[in-house]
Amino acid sequence: DAKTTQPTSMDCAEGRAANLPCNHSTISGNEYVYWYRQIHSQGPQYIIHGLKNNETNEMASLIITEDRKSSTLILPHATLRDTAVYYCIVRVEYGNKLVFGAGTILRVKS
Amino acid sequence: DTAVSQTPKYLVTQMGNDKSIKCEQNLGHDTMYWYKQDSKKFLKIMFSYNNKELIINETVPNRFSPKSPDKAHLNLHINSLELGDSAVYFCASSQMGRAYEQYFGPGTRLTVT
Repeated sequence: DAKTTQPTSMDCAEGRAANLPCNHSTISGNEYVYWYRQIHSQGPQYIIHGLKNNETNEMASLIITEDRKSSTLILPHATLRDTAVYYCIVRVEYGNKLVFGAGTILRVKS
Repeated sequence: DTAVSQTPKYLVTQMGNDKSIKCEQNLGHDTMYWYKQDSKKFLKIMFSYNNKELIINETVPNRFSPKSPDKAHLNLHINSLELGDSAVYFCASSQMGRAYEQYFGPGTRLTVT
């Protein structure tokens, strides 16, 4: 699975959009981008995934660049409850395991 | 109606003891996992079972033995506990073919003294 690079931490004001970048310059054609988050003292939670088209669900939007070498997870209106570690994971669609990196600590502040 | 549950939530024990952590999911999933999150917060997969069969077995000491009595349960037994086993252990489940969407339990914090 391709390696991902994320900033160590980010701050966001409550109510504003949180944009979390992920670099995956070595991604191959059959690898998807997945996002999870882990709120303090809880297990990780699946957010969204995509291959090359932008995706949106009730939690977030995922924007993948045309060359697929990077992506951005967008939380449109961040709340204090969105404070968590956000993990960007790249893997083939039918792979058997998730490999978590260090992730980005997102702090939403009032 | 907890989706993935683990017991106990906290476990404090002494070196050399044997302990078990239980996991149950009521999502009807056919694949279950055990992850370990150490003090540096890195989350690493240990085992995965699909329909009670072991499909992932990472480089884990053989003191760790998973057991899946049925599709809804995956227990983790640890023999001869060591200080380095102290960590948070997470159970997860998914539907085969959708392993990217895993549902995690609340974790079990194991402290070995």
